[in-house]
Amino acid sequence: ETGVTQTPRHLVMGMTNKKSLKCEQHLGHNAMYWYKQSAKKPLELMFVYNFKEQTENNSVPSRFSPECPNSSHLFLHLHTLQPEDSALYLCASSQGTGTSGSYEQYFGPGTRLTVT
Amino acid sequence: RKEVEQDPGPFNVPEGATVAFNCTYSNSASQSFFWYRQDCRKEPKLLMSVYSSGNEDGRFTAQLNRASQYISLLIRDSKLSDSATYLCVVNRGGSYIPTFGRGTSLIVHP
Repeated sequence: ETGVTQTPRHLVMGMTNKKSLKCEQHLGHNAMYWYKQSAKKPLELMFVYNFKEQTENNSVPSRFSPECPNSSHLFLHLHTLQPEDSALYLCASSQGTGTSGSYEQYFGPGTRLTVT
Repeated sequence: RKEVEQDPGPFNVPEGATVAFNCTYSNSASQSFFWYRQDCRKEPKLLMSVYSSGNEDGRFTAQLNRASQYISLLIRDSKLSDSATYLCVVNRGGSYIPTFGRGTSLIVHP
């Protein structure tokens, strides 16, 4: 596989469930990102990892818990979510270091999450 | 002033038209600039990076104006398939941390 993949593509979960979103990049990048995109709203950066270390947490509620075991994999663990958390969750990766051109981000197709 | 601002549109243009979008940014230390395209219910895809000298890729031309702190995207000879939302991205002070604009919606009609 190439590029950035995300699973599952669609997820419906109840407010008491626990689930995880998975992202994998096959681009040899060092930085990985989680974004939330709600209907008719701009992309919201949630978390950033660089070389497996979390470097950014944009005041995300603790019911979202990221995990980055290595530079190729990123998870988002979900528990006790609210209906307003329903959104498209996008993962992206970039080289993360080096010249400015290497900051180009490549996105996965996203997981469309519905919380009931 | 917001970090990255875009006119949400929509810009409604006929096929073959030339259309231009601007995006202003507030952090004068920003070093990296990009345009992404996002189709409805799809992920953003990199359209082009924006270099200090400007760059062109086919019908698309991107410019950077550091003095006035804005970047622009010009689309010539618009196609129906250009209909999408165009996202402006500015990286903080030369880092890999991006700030996305809200996007500008383009609708190209026959």
